[in-house]
Amino acid sequence: DGGITQSPKYLFRKEGQNVTLSCEQNLNHDAMYWYRQDPGQGLRLIYYSQIVNDFQKGDIAEGYSVSREKKESFPLTVTSAQKNPTAFYLCASTQGLGGYTFGSGTRLTVV
Amino acid sequence: GEDVEQSLFLSVREGDSSVINCTYTDSSSTYLYWYKQEPGAGLQLLTYIFSNMDMKQDQRLTVLLNKKDKHLSLRIADTQTGDSAIYFCAEGFPGNTPLVFGKGTRLSVIA
Repeated sequence: DGGITQSPKYLFRKEGQNVTLSCEQNLNHDAMYWYRQDPGQGLRLIYYSQIVNDFQKGDIAEGYSVSREKKESFPLTVTSAQKNPTAFYLCASTQGLGGYTFGSGTRLTVV
Repeated sequence: GEDVEQSLFLSVREGDSSVINCTYTDSSSTYLYWYKQEPGAGLQLLTYIFSNMDMKQDQRLTVLLNKKDKHLSLRIADTQTGDSAIYFCAEGFPGNTPLVFGKGTRLSVIA
């Protein structure tokens, strides 16, 4: 079955550590997105990519980095520069007008 | 920039109808989406409508669009406890700039 897989489901980060969240899709979608979700804040766009080897900053890109070397993969790195990384992270992809397909999310906690 | 507004909470009794409202600011032709998010999960697309339509019905779900007031509503008939979730409204033209999401309406269904 086609879909988006995010891993891991839960991730713990120590202070000053970089961590990478995985997002893989087998839907043959061109565009992929990373959102951060905090309680009461809705979804905030971190980065997006509309084609391989190209990506753009979203509304809250500071402290995050991405790469898009393959169509299927759009990993997100949360760097030590992100001072408040505890949140629920959602990856999505789209092709055409039918809206986004979302992964099941990764919950990141700073310990 | 574009904006999407939703009320944050709605509580209904089991068996009643739920109406979740959304307003948006985009003045151009656009697509409008409703997503459902259950606890700890990603977003699931429920339905969508193009801005030249007035209404769309899909089983228990009815979407109404008032283009003049830029007001979108999602009606859930015969609301069940399994409908308890956060419902997000989103608007945009996929493939162009990213969709703009509202902050979500938390629907609580009382048995």
